[in-house]
Amino acid sequence: ILNVEQSPQSLHVQEGDSTNFTCSFPSSNFYALHWYRWETAKSPEALFVMTLNGDEKKKGRISATLNTKEGYSYLYIKGSQPEDSATYLCACINSNSGYALNFGKGTSLLVTP
Amino acid sequence: DVKVTQSSRYLVKRTGEKVFLECVQDMDHENMFWYRQDPGLGLRLIYFSYDVKMKEKGDIPEGYSVSREKKERFSLILESASTNQTSMYLCASSFRVNEQFFGPGTRLTVL
Repeated sequence: ILNVEQSPQSLHVQEGDSTNFTCSFPSSNFYALHWYRWETAKSPEALFVMTLNGDEKKKGRISATLNTKEGYSYLYIKGSQPEDSATYLCACINSNSGYALNFGKGTSLLVTP
Repeated sequence: DVKVTQSSRYLVKRTGEKVFLECVQDMDHENMFWYRQDPGLGLRLIYFSYDVKMKEKGDIPEGYSVSREKKERFSLILESASTNQTSMYLCASSFRVNEQFFGPGTRLTVL
């Protein structure tokens, strides 16, 4: 079991605020880092898959960075909207875990108007 | 439109019953996974499979078994259901280390 930690556990912001979350993971034998968004009553959906140190990915107002040497990834949301309210999960794969993802416990984001 | 389907959204079973949870994907993915999600514990991997008739234990395999007779179908079996197996069960599939596609989940209650 890989120790994947996410912080904060929960976050409450106002509409229009920008926010970011952290995911930390073991840097040894790193293979890939995934971010998922999980809305209530829906299934988790992939946001990003990142593999290279220094990777930066963007999808609309959401972006993510990856530092494999120190073992962390940041997820940024610019100008949060109420529809961004969800739990954001990160998960990592290392070369010993095959294709199995090790998930963090997630960051629960609530955006109020 | 890619799809992962699960046989039931809600299921209520009695302690000691044998329970089958079915998952089907239409993306020709080699990899399939079963997770359970409990409040405060996040998603935990029960079993996964790389190919037909292949299976690997995840983090919490005790009390569960799996079957993968066809590439598109991955079944989770609770041999003798217990109340501590009340949970949300999610199935997922992927191609290699690419993103996983999740099913809608089965909320199982064991009385």
